[in-house]
Amino acid sequence: NAGVTQTPKFRILKIGQSMTLQCTQDMNHNYMYWYRQDPGMGLKLIYYSVGAGITDKGEVPNGYNVSRSTTEDFPLRLELAAPSQTSVYFCASSYREHTEAFFGQGTRLTVV
Amino acid sequence: GQNIDQPTEMTATEGAIVQINCTYQTSGFNGLFWYQQHAGEAPTFLSYNVLDGLEEKGRFSSFLSRSKGYSYLLLKELQMKDSASYLCAVRDSNYQLIWGAGTKLIIKP
Repeated sequence: NAGVTQTPKFRILKIGQSMTLQCTQDMNHNYMYWYRQDPGMGLKLIYYSVGAGITDKGEVPNGYNVSRSTTEDFPLRLELAAPSQTSVYFCASSYREHTEAFFGQGTRLTVV
Repeated sequence: GQNIDQPTEMTATEGAIVQINCTYQTSGFNGLFWYQQHAGEAPTFLSYNVLDGLEEKGRFSSFLSRSKGYSYLLLKELQMKDSASYLCAVRDSNYQLIWGAGTKLIIKP
């Protein structure tokens, strides 16, 4: 049982480059989330989805985009990377909205 | 504004008991979560409280007082593997999760 799988685990981007962080879950959860975690700060919600075809902005959506074409997949797109996007990104899923969440292993992104 | 306060770091001895506090000021309350996060890893769910009182789960217990805006996580019989960060998160009236910055717990032999 894989749970939530994120790729890649590490990435270095140059300013202005773009990339997609992949996230897939095999628990048939309707709710999926993208968070970023910065040192000394709580997790910040970037985007979330309540089901295939439905996405909504979280607390810090600027500079990011998401899509949810299937229940399993919830990729996060970074356009025009900036140093402020250097962070650890976590994808998560849950059976109901903001209940016990299952997290992926994280992506450590550095923008230089 | 909404705020969750936790101590930044705590140190305890193997075999002892430690209490990690969390105070919150949020727009409404619909439950409080505790997660454990080992360094470099993903958070994992520990407990959920929505009513006042103590919830016990093995060596870990979580307490909630809604009137005081206060919770604590109690860890008994500490083991070296309990060295981790402990994250408190509150679900507000809009069912949005507000996360604390976490408490780094260091266990010494």
